[in-house]
Amino acid sequence: EAQLVESGGGLVQPGGSLRLSCAASGFIFSNDWMTWIRQAPGKGLEWVANIKQDGSEMHYADSVKGRFTISRDNAKKSLYLDMNSLRVDDTAVYYCVRDSSPPPRLCGSSVCYFDALDLWGQGTIVTVSS
Amino acid sequence: AIQMTQSPSSLSASVGDRVTITCRASQGIRGDLGWYQQKPGKAPKLLIYAASTLQTGVPSRFSGSGSDTDFTLTISSLQPEDFATYFCLQDFGYPRTFGQGTKVEVK
Repeated sequence: EAQLVESGGGLVQPGGSLRLSCAASGFIFSNDWMTWIRQAPGKGLEWVANIKQDGSEMHYADSVKGRFTISRDNAKKSLYLDMNSLRVDDTAVYYCVRDSSPPPRLCGSSVCYFDALDLWGQGTIVTVSS
Repeated sequence: AIQMTQSPSSLSASVGDRVTITCRASQGIRGDLGWYQQKPGKAPKLLIYAASTLQTGVPSRFSGSGSDTDFTLTISSLQPEDFATYFCLQDFGYPRTFGQGTKVEVK
């Protein structure tokens, strides 16, 4: 059974750092884009970052750009999120998510690629507070 | 960043009702949109991707439609297990952006 298990959350002071990890099992990890999504207490979902299958391409939300770094180790079937200069508003549940990237389709004269965030971890809680 | 405006923010409905939730993008996003369902204390679940493609295993009472800037999620006959919060997510451009969510509550 495919599974994602996050770890590394906890309480950290403003300005501090934390590394989140996500262990994948039950599927070919190196085949898929991977994503981090977070949810502040009582709030909606916020897309944080994603990374290409081979780690050659990453994208970030404006709110974390320059502070967070997404990475992966395909040999270890693991995804990471290094978080620096943490702020109180980074407090959230952080989810590790697989993007199974369905087959592309023709869209008029171009090709369309889609995200399909089809496998989610249980989340790890990050609390930034003094 | 592309803004996703979802409406309504909440609605009350009864079992058997037809429910419609909309998402509007601040710019054209072709059909690059997904819908997710989240129950309290749980991770979200993918319902629909590419605006109208039902994820494997999702009941056929869920359907999605729309393109460019206007999208709709429809639940044809609401079931007890469908009371949850629903989010849209655009995957046309970076950064990806979610709608604010629609909470479907018991009437």
